Amino acid sequence: DAGVIQSPRHEVTEMGQEVTLRCKPISGHDYLFWYRQTMMRGLELLIYFNNNVPIDDSGMPEDRFSAKMPNASFSTLKIQPSEPRDSAVYFCASSSQGTDTQYFGPGTRLTVL
Amino acid sequence: AQSVAQPEDQVNVAEGNPLTVKCTYSVSGNPYLFWYVQYPNRGLQFLLKYITGDNLVKGSYGFEAEFNKSQTSFHLKKPSALVSDSALYFCAVRDRRNTDKLIFGTGTRLQVFP
Repeated sequence: DAGVIQSPRHEVTEMGQEVTLRCKPISGHDYLFWYRQTMMRGLELLIYFNNNVPIDDSGMPEDRFSAKMPNASFSTLKIQPSEPRDSAVYFCASSSQGTDTQYFGPGTRLTVL
Repeated sequence: AQSVAQPEDQVNVAEGNPLTVKCTYSVSGNPYLFWYVQYPNRGLQFLLKYITGDNLVKGSYGFEAEFNKSQTSFHLKKPSALVSDSALYFCAVRDRRNTDKLIFGTGTRLQVFP
């Protein structure tokens, strides 16, 4: 298995632009998690899905952030409009029902100028 | 509320020496505890977990962790450190109110010097 796949690996954009981050979970996994990592705040859970349904989005910072999971093999995290304070590394992770182990993707490093 | 604390931002150790990365937890009931490692420019990788049973848990890359209920600790250990062990280490606990979620510590940077 290729593991969790994220794209792009790096994204540089200007303030006010829309940003879309993509994630393909491990096949057969039914949980998908989006995290954000910064030096100041560490690793934060933004939102997670179970069987493509959003379960807990309490970590989403504000309405500028949205996430979707249209099918079991694809999820997006969108920021519109982006701001410099959104600069961070965004990780996607997946796991399967009945296990506690989350498998992380390589992350997307987002820089908003 | 469930939480984990990693009291050291950085741990320095010479190659070949034993290493310990500390983690304490605050959980009501029996905790489910985890260690993850993050190498530079990579995602987190699972190292090991404690659910129940033997207090000494063995994981990947020669790491082990000892669950100590009386001290509410789950320290990560390795008998002989390698330079390649240099990375960021995260302790985590499963959220008992929402068992789908993991609550991560702030991370400890391990630096192994040749």
